[in-house]
Amino acid sequence: DAGVTQSPTHLIKTRGQQVTLRCSPKSGHDTVSWYQQALGQGPQFIFQYYEEEERQRGNFPDRFSGHQFPNYSSELNVNALLLGDSALYLCASTEALQETQYFGPGTRLLVL
Amino acid sequence: DAKTTQPTSMDCAEGRAANLPCNHSTISGNEYVYWYRQIHSQGPQYIIHGLKNNETNEMASLIITEDRKSSTLILPHATLRDTAVYYCIVRSPRYSTLTFGKGTMLLVSP
Repeated sequence: DAGVTQSPTHLIKTRGQQVTLRCSPKSGHDTVSWYQQALGQGPQFIFQYYEEEERQRGNFPDRFSGHQFPNYSSELNVNALLLGDSALYLCASTEALQETQYFGPGTRLLVL
Repeated sequence: DAKTTQPTSMDCAEGRAANLPCNHSTISGNEYVYWYRQIHSQGPQYIIHGLKNNETNEMASLIITEDRKSSTLILPHATLRDTAVYYCIVRSPRYSTLTFGKGTMLLVSP
């Protein structure tokens, strides 16, 4: 039973560029959440997708957008990258009725 | 979600029980207590959760006080691989999203 997978594992971008991160949920899960974790901090909630729609959103600017596909996989897009966007980006999935979130290994983004 | 208070760091000898406390004095009656841990640079790992009753699984035990204002995560026989940051989170049943604090850094030593 595959767990949550994310790609790529590491990424280096420069300021102003755009980035797309990908997530495949755990088998049987249909809800995907994204979190940003800056160095030394706990993860911060970005948004959650269910039935291909954004269901909830945290306190992040519109530069952060997402998408969920019919197979429940998801993408996180960040436009106009800033140095402060450097972080570990985590994807978590849940079976809607169960509600316990399971996390992937994360994508480490470095913005230079 | 209600806020939680955890010690910044704790030490534990290998083979001993690790008892990690968490205060959540503003918890509402229908909010769950969740515990996750994060080993350096990895994604958070779900450990256990509970509402009112004590819970036990293959990883740990969760003891919730009767007034639900605090809880303790117990790792019965800590190993070096249990060294991690442990997060106590109070979650509303309405939303599955999690609000993380800074957690407790548990260092297990030989």
